Amino acid sequence: DTEVTQTPKHLVMGMTNKKSLKCEQHMGHRAMYWYKQKAKKPPELMFVYSYEKLSINESVPSRFSPECPNSSLLNLHLHALQPEDSALYLCASSQDRGHQETQYFGPGTRLLVL
Amino acid sequence: KQEVTQIPAALSVPEGENLVLNCSFTDSAIYNLQWFRQDPGKGLTSLLLIQSSQREQTSGRLNASLDKSSGRSTLYIAASQPGDSATYLCAALDTGRRALTFGSGTRLQVQP
Repeated sequence: DTEVTQTPKHLVMGMTNKKSLKCEQHMGHRAMYWYKQKAKKPPELMFVYSYEKLSINESVPSRFSPECPNSSLLNLHLHALQPEDSALYLCASSQDRGHQETQYFGPGTRLLVL
Repeated sequence: KQEVTQIPAALSVPEGENLVLNCSFTDSAIYNLQWFRQDPGKGLTSLLLIQSSQREQTSGRLNASLDKSSGRSTLYIAASQPGDSATYLCAALDTGRRALTFGSGTRLQVQP
């Protein structure tokens, strides 16, 4: 199984809402990632978890709060977002093996903030 | 800071043509260079991974090369098909930070 799943597929939220994005993998990967992708732009890294600990935070605003409850799950909690946060949010995972490392991406959650 | 550039930004070719997509990166301290495919509104599919010690990788009609010293990689697609239409992204995995830096992609359209 080389699948990374993400829920929901689409999300519309107001600026005062609180919502969460979920990501799951069952490949035994120990590194998980959140990327943000704006239209016609490449993905940009937001957070990296390695062995369930946050290892990279790319200076993301605190209205985005990641959580890694266990090695298979990754959440992204959203609160008080702005319209410019509308984007495709991609989750990825990898074995964390350096030069052989391939990241496997989920289908993404398309977020619209009104 | 790593910067990855892809040329051309868009490409339209008739079916059956062989084509080359180009990727360049500024920092040669990489673990590997990966090529991905992205269909509109979808996630990324990994196509090929070239380790820093390798020169090329092949998968079916796809061949990717890596010249780390010059900071360049190419993706060669043989006998293109309409189903190859997508955006192709290259990404470098730096040895310093364990995360990918993506190029802005090449949007490929293969005309039937």
